[in-house]
Amino acid sequence: DTAVSQTPKYLVTQMGNDKSIKCEQNLGHDTMYWYKQDSKKFLKIMFSYNNKELIINETVPNRFSPKSPDKAHLNLHINSLELGDSAVYFCASSHEITNTEAFFGQGTRLTVV
Amino acid sequence: GNSVTQMEGPVTLSEEAFLTINCTYTATGYPSLFWYVQYPGEGLQLLLKATKADDKGSNKGFEATYRKETTSFHLEKGSVQVSDSAVYFCALSDNTGGGNKLTFGTGTQLKVEL
Repeated sequence: DTAVSQTPKYLVTQMGNDKSIKCEQNLGHDTMYWYKQDSKKFLKIMFSYNNKELIINETVPNRFSPKSPDKAHLNLHINSLELGDSAVYFCASSHEITNTEAFFGQGTRLTVV
Repeated sequence: GNSVTQMEGPVTLSEEAFLTINCTYTATGYPSLFWYVQYPGEGLQLLLKATKADDKGSNKGFEATYRKETTSFHLEKGSVQVSDSAVYFCALSDNTGGGNKLTFGTGTQLKVEL
C-alpha cells in the first residue's frame, strides 16, 4: 500500500498552460506539504496544510494554488506555467504539527516546454 | 533563519569503505535532525533521525549523533555497499515559526563502486 501517492509521475506541458498535481496520503496524518526540488536537487518547502488549513506559504508565486479538500488530500494547481516551473514536486505528510518526520511521495517531474 | 550545510559531492567510494558525510546546522529553536536518502528516480525516504541533543539515530548500518555543541549531525557508515549509492540529505525540522517544515541541505551524492 502506497502511503503518500502523487499523480501524475511525469507531466510535460507547454508554457502558459494550467495543470494540477494530486496528492493523497493514507497514513491518517493531519499535516501535508508540497516541496519543490530543482535541477540541482535542492529541496525547498512551498506550502504546508494542517487539518485543511494553510499554515506555511513560502513566498511562492500566486500562480501556485494548493487546495486541501480534506485531511488526506493536498492538490497543487499551477496557472500560466513558465519554463522556470520545471522541477520535481514532492508531496509529503506528517502526523502532527511538531518535529516529526515527514513521509514523501514519489514525486512529479514537471517539464514545461 | 534556519539553514543546513552539508558537504558537497559527489563522493565516490569503493565497496566496504568508511563513509562520513558532514552536516552542520543553524537554528533558532530546538530542532529535530534527520537524514533522508533519495535513490535514483525515487522519492525521499527517512534514513534516521534524532530529536534532542546527544541522541544517536541509526538505521541500516548508518549512524548520526546530534551534537548541539558543534551544531552537527554527521552521517557515518562503517562499510558501504553498492546499494548505498544515492543522494543523502541532511535536514532539520522545527515549528518555532508556526507550522512544521523541513529545511534541507543541498544533498550529497554518494557513488559506491566495486
